[in-house]
Amino acid sequence: GAVVSQHPSWVICKSGTSVKIECRSLDFQATTMFWYRQFPKQSLMLMATSNEGSKATYEQGVEKDKFLINHASLTLSTLTVTSAHPEDSSFYICSRAARETQYFGPGTRLLVL
Amino acid sequence: DQQVKQNSPSLSVQEGRISILNCDYTNSMFDYFLWYKKYPAEGPTFLISISSIKDKNEDGRFTVFLNKSAKHLSLHIVPSQPGDSAVYFCAALGTSYGKLTFGQGTILTVHP
Repeated sequence: GAVVSQHPSWVICKSGTSVKIECRSLDFQATTMFWYRQFPKQSLMLMATSNEGSKATYEQGVEKDKFLINHASLTLSTLTVTSAHPEDSSFYICSRAARETQYFGPGTRLLVL
Repeated sequence: DQQVKQNSPSLSVQEGRISILNCDYTNSMFDYFLWYKKYPAEGPTFLISISSIKDKNEDGRFTVFLNKSAKHLSLHIVPSQPGDSAVYFCAALGTSYGKLTFGQGTILTVHP
């Protein structure tokens, strides 16, 4: 069964609004979770590493003030896209580490109008 | 700088035949290599992995081969089934804990 869940699976919002995406580790307390985005027909790009109880580590080129990550508990990490614009429309996926692999959530499709 | 590359955007195979998906990398510090299968609008599903100290790992119909000198790995699926049709991503795990670097993906289509 699924070990990582995401909510919502789909979200459509108006430009300028903020959107929060939740990622839950269902079977394991995860001190580290990861956030990726995928544009159509492209690879998964790591955005940031979410660390429980401390600040997230962002990849180069990712605006930390725009993509707010909170990892307040060992089973929940959230990604908030602030003041979303159409170019933020994408597929956002989270994962949790498991030894030498990662287990991914089902993803969240964001469409900003 | 694309550290993990999948140079074939797509592959078409007849059911029952072998599918071979290729992946090249540039960073010799990667510790593990992984293959994921992904359907549209879904998260990737882990298939198989290989440690950098091994040259082969097998799990059912899936076998991954690693050639460190050539910085090349491949995923063999045999026999291929129509249900294998999906996008396959090669990924590499580096020394930074848990950080995966993905290739561009290869669309596999298995025809009945």
